[in-house]
Amino acid sequence: DQQVKQNSPSLSVQEGRISILNCDYTNSMFDYFLWYKKYPAEGPTFLISISSIKDKNEDGRFTVFLNKSAKHLSLHIVPSQPGDSAVYFCAASENTDKLIFGTGTRLQVFP
Amino acid sequence: GAGVSQSPSNKVTEKGKDVELRCDPISGHTALYWYRQSLGQGLEFLIYFQGNSAPDKSGLPSDRFSAERTGGSVSTLTIQRTQQEDSAVYLCASSDRKGPPINYGYTFGSGTRLTVV
Repeated sequence: DQQVKQNSPSLSVQEGRISILNCDYTNSMFDYFLWYKKYPAEGPTFLISISSIKDKNEDGRFTVFLNKSAKHLSLHIVPSQPGDSAVYFCAASENTDKLIFGTGTRLQVFP
Repeated sequence: GAGVSQSPSNKVTEKGKDVELRCDPISGHTALYWYRQSLGQGLEFLIYFQGNSAPDKSGLPSDRFSAERTGGSVSTLTIQRTQQEDSAVYLCASSDRKGPPINYGYTFGSGTRLTVV
C-alpha cells in the first residue's frame, strides 16, 4: 500500500526553465510534507517542507505547493540549474511520526 | 560526530550468511531510523527508535531482520540468512526531535550498499 506516490520516475528540463515535481498521497491524516534531494552514493538531504495548515512555502528557488483537497503536492524549482540534477523524494508524516517516502523522481537539467 | 556515519559503505555477502550494518547517529539525536532503497524503489521504512520507548518495528519485512540501539546511540541492523532480495542500500537517519518534521527533518548517512550473491 503506497501511501506516497511519485508517478513520474524521471523529468528532463532545460537550464533556466521551471522544474515541477509532483507527489500524491492517500492518507488524509498526514500533517507534514517534505522534499529531499539525493545525489548518487550520498544520503538524501532535506530541501523544503510544508505544514498541512499552509498551501505554499517558498525558499529561494524552491517552492512547495500543497492541495489538501486533491491530496497533492508539488515542488517547483525556478530557474532550474544543472546542479539541481538529482533524485527528489517526497515524504509525509502523521503527527510527527516516521516519514513515509515516495519512490522518487530523477530530475535532469540540461544546458 | 558531525554527521551520521554508517559502516561498512559496501558489503558483499553470500546467500544464507548473516550481516550486521552499523549506524552512528549525530551526537545528542534521540531518534534513529533505518530505511532501505532497493533498485528502482523508493525509501522503504524499516524501524524507528525514539529515546527509551519501544521501537517501531512495523517496517521490518521478515523475522530475519532485527535491530538494536545500545545506550541510546549506536544502532546495528542485523539480517540473518540473507537472500538475494535483501540486496539494497540501507540508510540510517537521526533527528533531534526538537520540533515537528517541518523544523527538524532527518539527517541521513551515506548508506551501506548490500549485495547478496
